Amino acid sequence: DIQMTQSPSTLSASVGDRVTITCRASQSISSWLAWYQQKPGKAPKVLIYKASSLESGVPSRFSGSGSGTEFTLTISSLQPDDFATYYCQQYNSYTWTFGQGTKVEIK
Amino acid sequence: EVQLVESGGGLVQPGGSLRLSCAASGFTFSSYAMSWVRQAPGKGLEWVSVISGSGGSTYYADSVKGRFTISRDNSKNTLYLQMNSLRVEDTAVYYCATISSGWTYFDCWGQGTLVTVSA
Repeated sequence: DIQMTQSPSTLSASVGDRVTITCRASQSISSWLAWYQQKPGKAPKVLIYKASSLESGVPSRFSGSGSGTEFTLTISSLQPDDFATYYCQQYNSYTWTFGQGTKVEIK
Repeated sequence: EVQLVESGGGLVQPGGSLRLSCAASGFTFSSYAMSWVRQAPGKGLEWVSVISGSGGSTYYADSVKGRFTISRDNSKNTLYLQMNSLRVEDTAVYYCATISSGWTYFDCWGQGTLVTVSA
């Protein structure tokens, strides 16, 4: 099974900061990677799919990059609404696996 | 507007059974593969099961294979998850979600229903 490892697990940042979260796959997944944002008590919301495609309605300050085994989610200028937990997720051969999550906290 | 509303969660003893439902509206239900994803309290997300639009193909995580059964009734726009032989470690919020057209990510989610397995 493909394992997904996110880093860091927790990130402290201020409004306006540029934030980068990394996700590594245990084997190549081409570009089949998505990123989600989840706030406490709420369902996850997809931000990025196919590694770098922005989901409709998601602010352009979110961007994704990477292919193969290493991927990044970048928030260009952190906003108050962005404090949340972020998950990466891979797809390969009818299995779907999430990373363990990265919590973005207020510094 | 896509709406997914889960129901059927609750408290059940280890070894017991429970059936979750997910009522869908706002899209052509039979055209979309559907999934269940769960989240244990304070933990991350775990994919549980996926079913094709016709219901003819199903997939399961190893952790639930042989115990859980996913199904759908396209005439009622409803997705189901039959959970048998429940374990304490199955305690989680269970979300239903649509799968993207390429089957690669989960694009719309319900609000979730809590399943607690405890003696």
